[in-house]
Amino acid sequence: GESVGLHLPTLSVQEGDNSIINCAYSNSASDYFIWYKQESGKGPQFIIDIRSNMDKRQGQRVTVLLNKTVKHLSLQIAATQPGDSAVYFCAETENYGQNFVFGPGTRLSVLP
Amino acid sequence: GAVVSQHPSWVICKSGTSVKIECRSLDFQATTMFWYRQFPKQSLMLMATSNEGSKATYEQGVEKDKFLINHASLTLSTLTVTSAHPEDSSFYICSALKGAGGTITDTQYFGPGTRLTVL
Repeated sequence: GESVGLHLPTLSVQEGDNSIINCAYSNSASDYFIWYKQESGKGPQFIIDIRSNMDKRQGQRVTVLLNKTVKHLSLQIAATQPGDSAVYFCAETENYGQNFVFGPGTRLSVLP
Repeated sequence: GAVVSQHPSWVICKSGTSVKIECRSLDFQATTMFWYRQFPKQSLMLMATSNEGSKATYEQGVEKDKFLINHASLTLSTLTVTSAHPEDSSFYICSALKGAGGTITDTQYFGPGTRLTVL
């Protein structure tokens, strides 16, 4: 699958505030979801994942919420820091990892 | 851990030449690797799925004769851009699937990317 976005949505937050990045997915059969962070000029970095039998999962400063009813995924970053500035992608897959489909990405800018 | 490396990280070549990009899983074996292309400010576009010991599966619209993929071992996949042209300039990213596929623990780990500039 492929996902192409011509205009990256941008989210600007003040340092120290919480950030919420949203992602709508299309395949109701997707059963595994991952959030990736990509800094400029680098490859995507795994942040957190969630299975379809869960609706919430927490990591260090990050929380992923999954709403299967409306096919919506969100990434919450607590106490956003300048180092969190990056593009964030959600990815969905069916059958746990055979074919990943990426969302268009959201650029997070952290303001001082 | 799960580390994936790519080499080279940046390459500049003349139009008409071929460029080989390597993708290695350093601390795990990867039966399946993926190759992506990314244009500025855009998401990742899957080019092909590379399976060790078999032919790669290309996405629609990706020329298999132009983007040659070889997955000769469980830790190495290569992408060769043949007869490169300026429109092939892009950021190429590989990923390796840790796990056999089809299990809950499978996760895709990405390489750092290779920036290709064709003059």
